[in-house]
Amino acid sequence: ELKVEQNPLFLSMQEGKNYTIYCNYSTTSDRLYWYRQDPGKSLESLFVLLSNGAVKQEGRLMASLDTKARLSTLHITAAVHDLSATYFCAVVVYNTDKLIFGTGTRLQVFP
Amino acid sequence: DTAVSQTPKYLVTQMGNDKSIKCEQNLGHDTMYWYKQDSKKFLKIMFSYNNKELIINETVPNRFSPKSPDKAHLNLHINSLELGDSAVYFCASTHIGRGQTEAFFGQGTRLTVV
Repeated sequence: ELKVEQNPLFLSMQEGKNYTIYCNYSTTSDRLYWYRQDPGKSLESLFVLLSNGAVKQEGRLMASLDTKARLSTLHITAAVHDLSATYFCAVVVYNTDKLIFGTGTRLQVFP
Repeated sequence: DTAVSQTPKYLVTQMGNDKSIKCEQNLGHDTMYWYKQDSKKFLKIMFSYNNKELIINETVPNRFSPKSPDKAHLNLHINSLELGDSAVYFCASTHIGRGQTEAFFGQGTRLTVV
């Protein structure tokens, strides 16, 4: 069965701290996306990772992809309250149109 | 202009009713999806259309029927609504193939069945 699992599911962290969210997937894929969702809102695209070893950075967030390990990470540097949201990874199953979402990580940043 | 737009944003209806949700994208994408997000925030793929052709049909009850009149529109019709259908439904679009982009999402339709 195809699985896209994120770890942790919930993350409460203090402002200024660093942390990493992990996304493991069980299928062959060379395309992975990270999204952010605020409560009651839609999904906002953060990163598009299209090849093994891809690394993208935007502000305090950095995403990477290891297709051989079937693993992507989302690293948070010096967290701020505005980063509080739910983060999803999403995997395109190789040679299909199927876009499968991870379980989501709910991040809460407190002072 | 909104890239992917869904209507309505909120839908409250009684069990047994039939309802439709509409989705339109103006991005020129060739692939559209319907996702269901439950109360635990899990996003489950329901259907995918590529150039008006049904590509993905996950294990969704027959009461759910997607329709794509053209590649810019993908509507979702639900018959005989049940309490368990209450969720947020998201439409998304992307372009598959060379230059594939990430999926862009509509604002969601919060369906409440009472």
